[in-house]
Amino acid sequence: GAVVSQHPSRVICKSGTSVKIECRSLDFQATTMFWYRQFPKQSLMLMATSNEGSKATYEQGVEKDKFLINHASLTLSTLTVTSAHPEDSSFYICSATPLEAGQSFSYEQYFGPGTRLTVT
Amino acid sequence: GQNIDQPTEMTATEGAIVQINCTYQTSGFNGLFWYQQHAGEAPTFLSYNVLDGLEEKGRFSSFLSRSKGYSYLLLKELQMKDSASYLCAVMDSNYQLIWGAGTKLIIKP
Repeated sequence: GAVVSQHPSRVICKSGTSVKIECRSLDFQATTMFWYRQFPKQSLMLMATSNEGSKATYEQGVEKDKFLINHASLTLSTLTVTSAHPEDSSFYICSATPLEAGQSFSYEQYFGPGTRLTVT
Repeated sequence: GQNIDQPTEMTATEGAIVQINCTYQTSGFNGLFWYQQHAGEAPTFLSYNVLDGLEEKGRFSSFLSRSKGYSYLLLKELQMKDSASYLCAVMDSNYQLIWGAGTKLIIKP
């Protein structure tokens, strides 16, 4: 089956610093990747949709200047949390959909293992 | 607005059967998903329903009624490893997933 990796799995950083999280599709090409955030005991919240070669589409309420997304290739998307604060501490999960050219929808969505971010 | 409702928590006994319900109100419908999520881990795909009826996959089955905006996930022969959160998600007309808050299932011996 399709595999998505995330790195790092856990990161602790000091308030005010920036953290980069990588999401890779290991055995398929993903024109679209999704970034989610999940606070304890809450549902997944979509932050942004990352499209290869173009700007990410952010959900309402998500600051695009704070959460920088770069989808540089068909197998890699990165999320950078800039000037992190304790309230940014959360579980960040990416997912990827293997889409064929011209296909607008695939129900196959594969999740990375997640990154636990703690900002002190 | 768009809304997905599922119970917050359920408890069941090992070896028994449990049904987790999900009701939804979304702008358009392109399918309903069930995911399993163990604590501290990412969700894993369980099932996808786009037509009315029951889809059976081993110990897990998922049912959909589009007219009622209703689905359930049925887990049979419960095992301790089934203790997890079960997330219901609906894909709307824009092909975006709308997520429920999840149902925490506790299995007791």
